[in-house]
Amino acid sequence: DGGITQSPKYLFRKEGQNVTLSCEQNLNHDAMYWYRQDPGQGLRLIYYSQIVNDFQKGDIAEGYSVSREKKESFPLTVTSAQKNPTAFYLCAIQTSGTGELFFGEGSRLTVL
Amino acid sequence: AQSVAQPEDQVNVAEGNPLTVKCTYSVSGNPYLFWYVQYPNRGLQFLLKYITGDNLVKGSYGFEAEFNKSQTSFHLKKPSALVSDSALYFCAVRDMIKAAGNKLTFGGGTRVLVKP
Repeated sequence: DGGITQSPKYLFRKEGQNVTLSCEQNLNHDAMYWYRQDPGQGLRLIYYSQIVNDFQKGDIAEGYSVSREKKESFPLTVTSAQKNPTAFYLCAIQTSGTGELFFGEGSRLTVL
Repeated sequence: AQSVAQPEDQVNVAEGNPLTVKCTYSVSGNPYLFWYVQYPNRGLQFLLKYITGDNLVKGSYGFEAEFNKSQTSFHLKKPSALVSDSALYFCAVRDMIKAAGNKLTFGGGTRVLVKP
């Protein structure tokens, strides 16, 4: 969706390094989500935020951190504590009412 | 707890033939149901949703889905598949009881391969 921007598209990191993935939206939605997708697999929820300055852990939060200081931004940090960080990361916003998600184009992280 | 099952990892169909991708769900309250499509190295694209009303829902790119409450299913269909429909398809559910919150639960995905 054009209103949700994830960057970078591709990222390489060495083991032991933290890396931050950016997610920005100009659609004025309160709720934002981060998912992880591994090859040939479904989506697993990392963190989500229903409103500014508040966020909750999802199913696989260990080794990740987030912040929500602005409505437009929900960055995800993959820390060195994440044992297997190589994956495709997807950010989404959620509409109010029916609650469908709209996704960004994703960020592919590869740990060398 | 809400859950979604997509029983087929892959569906193969010839171009021009009907396409069906299966989805069953489990919720405590009433469901909101969604279908998404994903092309390689891209985000998920929203196809359609069922909220209430008519059991046959029409969506983008000629896709439709049929809600069946008694069978707790929400199968995705397309009358005549195109090679360009080859992609990964995800079903998702949102349980509308208050305790479930706003999260969607996704199925594991079904890969569709349309052969010329």
